[in-house]
Amino acid sequence: GAGVSQSPRYKVAKRGQDVALRCDPISGHVSLFWYQQALGQGPEFLTYFQNEAQLDKSGLPSDRFFAERPEGSVSTLKIQRTQQEDSAVYLCASSLVTGWLNTEAFFGQGTRLTVV
Amino acid sequence: AQTVTQSQPEMSVQEAETVTLSCTYDTSESDYYLFWYKQPPSRQMILVIRQEAYKQQNATENRFSVNFQKAAKSFSLKISDSQLGDAAMYFCAYAGTETSGSRLTFGEGTQLTVNP
Repeated sequence: GAGVSQSPRYKVAKRGQDVALRCDPISGHVSLFWYQQALGQGPEFLTYFQNEAQLDKSGLPSDRFFAERPEGSVSTLKIQRTQQEDSAVYLCASSLVTGWLNTEAFFGQGTRLTVV
Repeated sequence: AQTVTQSQPEMSVQEAETVTLSCTYDTSESDYYLFWYKQPPSRQMILVIRQEAYKQQNATENRFSVNFQKAAKSFSLKISDSQLGDAAMYFCAYAGTETSGSRLTFGEGTQLTVNP
């Protein structure tokens, strides 16, 4: 596709439910990032992939959060046993190469997760 | 750890006037990148302008320019001839070298209103 695609755009989950958020990066992009953006705040880093390898998951807030990118393209962020504090917009971004010298990160429109 | 601070939660400007958004950051790295992103209600982050720390010349993109003061760790965004379409949330962001990972660190954001 022409840009980074995320689905669903909106998700309402009951507390304790498991959710899966999908990110389709721009074709050929090596790097993929997940960010969490609470209401009225700036995005915060969750995890980073270089192709299929998850090189940094230091931002994942708990072991209920899990991300994968098995074939180096589509990525899924899974949240188990959702809690109210998980309510946020989850942004995905991809970039062509690693590092920042000759590339930029392209963002999707995010998934707004509301836990009730 | 790197931090980014935006001290202006809200700013407003008259159409066709100039406005400056402030950003300060803290880092111990000597080589890094700074960005301004625009986030409209659609939630998609759009890159406005970027600055490489090793470049002394301030970056400019049409009506957008930055004032990069490396010693003061300051990175402000100037929007000239403001247009109604400039209204959005603006985020300052930092990206370091490989030693600090590939993540972007964002500020809290500044909500810009453009008055007709």
